[in-house]
Amino acid sequence: DSGVTQTPKHLITATGQRVTLRCSPRSGDLSVYWYQQSLDQGLQFLIQYYNGEERAKGNILERFSAQQFPDLHSELNLSSLELGDSALYFCASSPSSKNEQYFGPGTRLTVT
Amino acid sequence: ILNVEQSPQSLHVQEGDSTNFTCSFPSSNFYALHWYRWETAKSPEALFVMTLNGDEKKKGRISATLNTKEGYSYLYIKGSQPEDSATYLCAALDPGYQKVTFGIGTKLQVIP
Repeated sequence: DSGVTQTPKHLITATGQRVTLRCSPRSGDLSVYWYQQSLDQGLQFLIQYYNGEERAKGNILERFSAQQFPDLHSELNLSSLELGDSALYFCASSPSSKNEQYFGPGTRLTVT
Repeated sequence: ILNVEQSPQSLHVQEGDSTNFTCSFPSSNFYALHWYRWETAKSPEALFVMTLNGDEKKKGRISATLNTKEGYSYLYIKGSQPEDSATYLCAALDPGYQKVTFGIGTKLQVIP
């Protein structure tokens, strides 16, 4: 158990809908990262927050947004969902960018 | 975003054999390199964080080296065991924005 929690574990929704994925980092970790893993693809970095502020952005679509709250938990919002958004979404946390990341169990999103 | 390549993409070895695989990254734009081990149906787990040229790290039968001047890192597994079967990911961090780029991974299967 990495100490990172993600909810929900599974999510099935229809195209055009909006969902929110939630992540609680390890106690004391200030950095939170979001990744997408689509079928047969590697881990794609989406976005990083550090102590409530956006630190780095990867290939995150404009339909997706994220935030990190004062208690350091983070949410990833996915809107106007398309079939291609079906993927495993991982959250990871670390004390800072230099340190190794601790991954949560992931949220599997299925868009039908 | 950095271009991180891993080779080979997959590998089958006999139990007891030693093996190694490669992660390459742009040497001109380097901040840190992480290695992760990702077992099927689990989340990636950190193995090593490497920052300095010439770094060598070891954890049990697994070790890694780093050459930042030529832009590569090797991961070695000595005396492979079936429980070593997993996908091994490397991730490079660039200094400017500290974005994380993961390689596609090397999928290792150790045959008993």
